[in-house]
Amino acid sequence: DIQMTQSPSSLSASVGDSVTLTCRASQSIGTYLNWYQQKPGKAPKLLIYAASSLQSGVPSRFSGSGSGTDFTLTIGGLQPEDFATYYCQQSYTTPYTFGQGTKLEIK
Amino acid sequence: EVQLVESGGGLIQPGGSLRLSCAASGFTVSSNFMTWVRQAPGKGLEWVSIVYSDGSTYYADSVKGRFTISRDNSKNTLYLQMNSLRAEDTAVYYCTSYGYIYADVFDIWGQGTMVTVSS
Repeated sequence: DIQMTQSPSSLSASVGDSVTLTCRASQSIGTYLNWYQQKPGKAPKLLIYAASSLQSGVPSRFSGSGSGTDFTLTIGGLQPEDFATYYCQQSYTTPYTFGQGTKLEIK
Repeated sequence: EVQLVESGGGLIQPGGSLRLSCAASGFTVSSNFMTWVRQAPGKGLEWVSIVYSDGSTYYADSVKGRFTISRDNSKNTLYLQMNSLRAEDTAVYYCTSYGYIYADVFDIWGQGTMVTVSS
């Protein structure tokens, strides 16, 4: 199975800050990498697919990059609604594995 | 509007069985890839199973041989039959489409249904 490792596990930041979340795959997955945002008690929501493509309606302050084994999600200019948990997920092969998540908290 | 609505969760004793349902509206279950993803309390997301439009199915090793994914085309509904349940199956179970809008993505999610396995 492909293991997905996210760092950091948690992150404290302030409104207006820019942050970068990292996701590493245990083997090369090309750009078969997606990012989801989850708020407490809610289903995850797709943010970015194919490593760098923004889902329709997602603010442009979100951006993704990477290929192979190393990927990043950057949020430029945090807004109050961005404080949530973020998961990466590989769709290269089954089982479709997720990272353990990065919890973004307000400082 | 495309919508997925899960039902069937609840409290069940270890070793018991439960069937989850996911009713779809706004799109056709049989024409799309459909999956179940679960999340144990306070934990991350775990893919459970997928059924492709051709009917082929795949399972996570943790549920293989115990869970069965299926669909009823006449009811436009996806199911997850869960047998021999264990405490570690306790989770919110989400029904999702896979690749409906964007290729290779869990793109539409239901609200989830909670399954608690406990004596």
